[in-house]
Amino acid sequence: DVKVTQSSRYLVKRTGEKVFLECVQDMDHENMFWYRQDPGLGLRLIYFSYDVKMKEKGDIPEGYSVSREKKERFSLILESASTNQTSMYLCASGLAEGNEQFFGPGTRLTVL
Amino acid sequence: LAKTTQPISMDSYEGQEVNITCSHNNIATNDYITWYQQFPSQGPRFIIQGYKTKVTNEVASLFIPADRKSSTLSLPRVSLSDTAVYYCLVVNTDKLIFGTGTRLQVFP
Repeated sequence: DVKVTQSSRYLVKRTGEKVFLECVQDMDHENMFWYRQDPGLGLRLIYFSYDVKMKEKGDIPEGYSVSREKKERFSLILESASTNQTSMYLCASGLAEGNEQFFGPGTRLTVL
Repeated sequence: LAKTTQPISMDSYEGQEVNITCSHNNIATNDYITWYQQFPSQGPRFIIQGYKTKVTNEVASLFIPADRKSSTLSLPRVSLSDTAVYYCLVVNTDKLIFGTGTRLQVFP
């Protein structure tokens, strides 16, 4: 089975802190994605990556950056966390030629 | 990417067949119709994908009429464990756009 793991299920940070969310997949997928999910808004794409060291902005990249130094790992970085970044963050991976994405369990981030 | 419209919520009882309809009036020739399921506190999970007519797997069936402007996800004989949010997406790349989905509540 494809496995996508995220570094934390729950995280509490303070405003202004730098936050790292890690995602690792074990199926050698080329594509990796970061979403946030908020009540009433569904899932929104923050950033995605088609290959190592490549990144593309999604629909809501402001306030976020990403890093993909290795194929299996995709990190989401909040340079200076703000309260409006309190959300559920979901990582996903998928094959280059496929539409199916495999999601991790999510990280619920609270910024105080 | 085409926008989809689906009901916000649906209720059903155990053992019933549930049909969730999604409209996608602006679907493009290269778009596929894909459904995901999400349980509370979990990430979405791929259920089924189709291009036209009917697709069936061990979980669900997907019905797509000839004009492809809508599709129907059919869940046979639902159980309490089918209570979840179901998302309809139209995709032609690996970039997915999720709407707010349909919250299905199954009662005993």
